[in-house]
Amino acid sequence: AQSVSQHNHHVILSEAASLELGCNYSYGGTVNLFWYVQYPGQHLQLLLKYFSGDPLVKGIKGFEAEFIKSKFSFNLRKPSVQWSDTAEYFCAVNAERAGGTSYGKLTFGQGTILTVHP
Amino acid sequence: ETGVTQSPTHLIKTRGQQVTLRCSSQSGHNTVSWYQQALGQGPQFIFQYYREEENGRGNFPPRFSGLQFPNYSSELNVNALELDDSALYLCASSYKGWEETQYFGPGTRLLVL
Repeated sequence: AQSVSQHNHHVILSEAASLELGCNYSYGGTVNLFWYVQYPGQHLQLLLKYFSGDPLVKGIKGFEAEFIKSKFSFNLRKPSVQWSDTAEYFCAVNAERAGGTSYGKLTFGQGTILTVHP
Repeated sequence: ETGVTQSPTHLIKTRGQQVTLRCSSQSGHNTVSWYQQALGQGPQFIFQYYREEENGRGNFPPRFSGLQFPNYSSELNVNALELDDSALYLCASSYKGWEETQYFGPGTRLLVL
């Protein structure tokens, strides 16, 4: 069964600091990878996604993530965080079904709470 | 474009009761997935509906059941509620295909007393 591990439960940064949130998954086959964000009082929103091609993907609000297949990792980065980035971040994976479509199931990590101080 | 909507937003039930949660998918989507998110945890996959049939199920007992309607909206039913069923229930809609991307609704907060 696939699983997703997010290394940090709570990260505290000052504005303008750089951010890297770790995500590792366990699954031997082809996967689709996602980062979702949940701002305080709001619902889960898609930040970025990877299906194939360039392993460095760019998302909204200046976020990017790099897929490293050999390390089963999909870490999220942002060069300079803002107070408005305070939120909970979830990494999620779903596996490819034989025949090329994806399984419907998204497996999520436990989430990382990011607090940015002004 | 209308996003994913869920109703009700909050619900309080007592142990042993039954509950029905509703979800309307985003325009152009044909697939609905349901997740349970306990406090401090990531969402856990309950099941997915595609073409009005269950298309995958997570590790949840049979008292969790669902439906998808011809307009792609969906219901989640939970029978014989237990205290541990207290959680945020999330619905996500998507278009079935290889690059399937799920978009989430605001959730229904269920409290079982």
